[in-house]
Amino acid sequence: KQEVTQIPAALSVPEGENLVLNCSFTDSAIYNLQWFRQDPGKGLTSLLLIQSSQREQTSGRLNASLDKSSGRSTLYIAASQPGDSATYLCAVRRETSGSRLTFGEGTQLTVNP
Amino acid sequence: GAGVSQTPSNKVTEKGKYVELRCDPISGHTALYWYRQSLGQGPEFLIYFQGTGAADDSGLPNDRFFAVRPEGSVSTLKIQRTERGDSAVYLCASSRGRETEAFFGQGTRLTVV
Repeated sequence: KQEVTQIPAALSVPEGENLVLNCSFTDSAIYNLQWFRQDPGKGLTSLLLIQSSQREQTSGRLNASLDKSSGRSTLYIAASQPGDSATYLCAVRRETSGSRLTFGEGTQLTVNP
Repeated sequence: GAGVSQTPSNKVTEKGKYVELRCDPISGHTALYWYRQSLGQGPEFLIYFQGTGAADDSGLPNDRFFAVRPEGSVSTLKIQRTERGDSAVYLCASSRGRETEAFFGQGTRLTVV
């Protein structure tokens, strides 16, 4: 059974800092990995999708990397802003499980002005 | 539509009642998913539709839960004899295909009293 772990569970940083969120998964046979953002009381907003054949994806100040063989992904946020405060979730889609995404429990990020 | 739409946004019901939650996916998306999210946790998979058929319903917790997608677009999640433990946010997502980027709606917050 695929398990996804996100560390740390919570993170508080001052504005302007660069930061890294971590995601690990137990079964490396994944098809792709997706990072989401969730604001309180809201749904999930897709940030980045990395296919298993890719090493990284970038969107603006966000960069996600994937090391499939070691079961790890990181989300790098450059020059953090208070508006980045949210919960960040990673989810993996296994090669053989059809289409379901398996989620971690998220990292709650607070960026202080 | 522009995004995944879920109605209602909030639903309060009495224990034992029947509820229906609706999801309108992004136009043209053939894959549709239902997830359930409890406070402080990542979403948990319930069911996945490819077109009109349920390709994977292994996440449904018991036979009180049922979902349909009769015309391959709108989906309805149905919960019979609701219990207090069913209280959660129910999220719907859609994607163009079974392994492409998933987009989520804002969710329906169900409270069973």
